[in-house]
Amino acid sequence: AQTVTQSQPEMSVQEAETVTLSCTYDTSESNYYLFWYKQPPSRQMILVIRQEAYKQQNATENRFSVNFQKAAKSFSLKISDSQLGDTAMYFCAFSFGNEKLTFGTGTRLTIIP
Amino acid sequence: DSGVTQTPKHLITATGQRVTLRCSPRSGDLSVYWYQQSLDQGLQFLIQYYNGEERAKGNILERFSAQQFPDLHSELNLSSLELGDSALYFCASSVRGEFSYEQYFGPGTRLTVT
Repeated sequence: AQTVTQSQPEMSVQEAETVTLSCTYDTSESNYYLFWYKQPPSRQMILVIRQEAYKQQNATENRFSVNFQKAAKSFSLKISDSQLGDTAMYFCAFSFGNEKLTFGTGTRLTIIP
Repeated sequence: DSGVTQTPKHLITATGQRVTLRCSPRSGDLSVYWYQQSLDQGLQFLIQYYNGEERAKGNILERFSAQQFPDLHSELNLSSLELGDSALYFCASSVRGEFSYEQYFGPGTRLTVT
């Protein structure tokens, strides 16, 4: 079974700073997909960024980027120039394409004004 | 707005009752997934439908059932409700086609069992 581990239950950072959220996963497969979802206080689940395991290039979406280390089974999220609206729970997730998402336990991120 | 709709937004009911949660996927999306988010269990996959057929089952209780209709909307039926069923229930749909991989979530239905 696949597992996703987020070892940082809570983090806080000053506005405009950079923060990195950690995620590790375990699988014996070689083709899979990794995601970061954001859940703000509204509880909506918002897709932030995705990474295909077969791609060596790290994904980037505006201020959000990932550091994907396939051999280490590590998938961290970097948020640059953090904003108050980034305050949320962040979930790392794993899937085999058109199959279920397996989520980590989440990291609660607070951006301090 | 993800394009996935869920009704109702909130539901309060008593133990032993039965409720139905409804989900409409994004236009053209063939796969629908149901997830449960509770405080002690985190986000758990319940069940997936693809183009009207059950495709995968997760930690779904026997008291729970689901279906996907020809117009691709889906319903999750929860019966003999217990206090522990109180949770946020999400529906997600994935982009068009068999080999897609992005799931977009609806706003969720918050179920409170009293």
